[in-house]
Amino acid sequence: SQQGEEDPQALSIQEGENATMNCSYKTSINNLQWYRQNSGRGLVHLILIRSNEREKHSGRLRVTLDTSKKSSSLLITASRAADTASYFCATEVTGFQKLVFGTGTRLLVSP
Amino acid sequence: GAGVSQSPRYKVAKRGQDVALRCDPISGHVSLFWYQQALGQGPEFLTYFQNEAQLDKSGLPSDRFFAERPEGSVSTLKIQRTQQEDSAVYLCASSPRRDTEAFFGQGTRLTVV
Repeated sequence: SQQGEEDPQALSIQEGENATMNCSYKTSINNLQWYRQNSGRGLVHLILIRSNEREKHSGRLRVTLDTSKKSSSLLITASRAADTASYFCATEVTGFQKLVFGTGTRLLVSP
Repeated sequence: GAGVSQSPRYKVAKRGQDVALRCDPISGHVSLFWYQQALGQGPEFLTYFQNEAQLDKSGLPSDRFFAERPEGSVSTLKIQRTQQEDSAVYLCASSPRRDTEAFFGQGTRLTVV
């Protein structure tokens, strides 16, 4: 079964706007990762945040992690049409090496 | 190659047929994972290898599913007597060590008819 739940399930915005996706999980983790998946393609790693970190930035991406609430958020600033994709959070559960994925957020960025 | 390579990209199998899906991980990556992704869902963990050792197979849905990585590099996921519910995209990923990003292949889309 899937560990994480993402919210919203779908998000539609205009180019230039910011997009925020949230992820909740259930168990203790080593790290939390965000991946992007374009239609018909494999998963591309975006960013990894470890359990002892609270915030991380990479280009237009900002990730926060709140281990007390077992939640994370991904912010994409100044979105582009090329950001249209499904976004998944994945947790490396403590004591295991496997990644457990959430249900995903489908992001549509319109020109 | 530079990335994780999976073959075939597409496979159509008749119900009851056996299939074998291949994964070539990034050279030197110790960890190898198999995931199953149904349409509109997130990937579901199937199994994990560290070198040639299969350390976790808790996600394999039935004893019809079998995975191996005999020399610690290439891996094969075999599905015996395929059923319609096996239709999905099968993703392979590798990583150099714990607590790092995983690199995914393009997947094999299996359709059982």
